[in-house]
Amino acid sequence: NAGVTQTPKFQVLKTGQSMTLQCAQDMNHEYMSWYRQDPGMGLRLIHYSVGAGITDQGEVPNGYNVSRSTTEDFPLRLLSAAPSQTSVYFCASSQQGVETQYFGPGTRLLVL
Amino acid sequence: AQSVTQLDSQVPVFEEAPVELRCNYSSSVSVYLFWYVQYPNQGLQLLLKYLSGSTLVKGINGFEAEFNKSQTSFHLRKPSVHISDTAEYFCAVSDGFTGNQFYFGTGTSLTVIP
Repeated sequence: NAGVTQTPKFQVLKTGQSMTLQCAQDMNHEYMSWYRQDPGMGLRLIHYSVGAGITDQGEVPNGYNVSRSTTEDFPLRLLSAAPSQTSVYFCASSQQGVETQYFGPGTRLLVL
Repeated sequence: AQSVTQLDSQVPVFEEAPVELRCNYSSSVSVYLFWYVQYPNQGLQLLLKYLSGSTLVKGINGFEAEFNKSQTSFHLRKPSVHISDTAEYFCAVSDGFTGNQFYFGTGTSLTVIP
């Protein structure tokens, strides 16, 4: 099993550009989530999904969109990047929300 | 919304000494509690979790934590640390109904000194 994979590892964007961060898991987990990690802020939940076709907002959803068309994939879209979205983004999955979450290696995003 | 407070941002400790990393959460209603560890340039890994039952929870790598409902705390302890325990530690809480919304603390950087 590859576990949770994220692409790309690094990305530099200009303000206003759009991009999609990819996340995939091969453990048949129902619950998937996106976090951003900023210095001194810990991890903050952006969006989560409890199964294909079901998504919901976390603590900091503004500026981000998600969809869950398959169990395996949970992409995160930035429609118009802003410098405030410079961060490290982590995707995680678990069988259910309260079960052990498995984290991907992260994507470092810099918005200029 | 929940909030999680990790009282110490940095904790230096000598090798083989005991350590306690403190965590307090805001809500008095039913919650689930977690401790995660993050090694440099890696994702997070679960150390232990409290869902219900015994208030003393044992995890991987010799760590344990005690849930104290009256003090809304979930402190992490290890009786003897190793160099390999140097990492960032995060306390997290989710609501006790759906368990879907997670709130993380700001992290404690543990440095083990040889």
